[in-house]
Amino acid sequence: QQQVKQSPQSLIVQKGGISIINCAYENTAFDYFPWYQQFPGKGPALLIAIRPDVSEKKEGRFTISFNKSAKQFSLHIMDSQPGDSATYFCAASGETSGSRLTFGEGTQLTVNP
Amino acid sequence: DTGVSQNPRHKITKRGQNVTFRCDPISEHNRLYWYRQTLGQGPEFLTYFQNEAQLEKSRLLSDRFSAERPKGSFSTLEIQRTEQGDSAMYLCASSLMAQQYFGPGTRLTVT
Repeated sequence: QQQVKQSPQSLIVQKGGISIINCAYENTAFDYFPWYQQFPGKGPALLIAIRPDVSEKKEGRFTISFNKSAKQFSLHIMDSQPGDSATYFCAASGETSGSRLTFGEGTQLTVNP
Repeated sequence: DTGVSQNPRHKITKRGQNVTFRCDPISEHNRLYWYRQTLGQGPEFLTYFQNEAQLEKSRLLSDRFSAERPKGSFSTLEIQRTEQGDSAMYLCASSLMAQQYFGPGTRLTVT
């Protein structure tokens, strides 16, 4: 009930391409869905987040698509750059559980020059 | 720098020793969270505070773990009688609302 499933585990994209990472959740009490970017040896950095009252949110090259009925959301990185190479985590939280984050397993993105 | 800070950044200890980590949140944030991250996995929730009150503890937090947040400011996480399985990155995050901002983490290695 608390799980967030993320795919793919790893992704290789050419520079300028689109990177797409998918997540699915089970707990309908979740009401906040952030994406984090993490570089080796660093803490996760908040990239972009969405609430279930909207189906899409765009910030620069990053877009979240949200499908409430399917309980799925995805991150799209447009014009992917080598500097985007990192591990990406989706997460979900609900105010009823103190907004503690439940994370997906992570996707290791490599953008080749 | 007004971000979340954690100290120490790295800690190597021998099995059976006690260790304590410190987290300084963003100053106006009333919520503070501790997570643990092992290699290749996403962070896992350990516990959280709203101001000085510890409101929830994960089942991952055995009785060897204790956390405090005196006066609702910085927080400490102590692990007593460390075991090799405690080796991980310990992450602290703070928030005012839903958005959580993470610190750089403390990497613990138990030998």
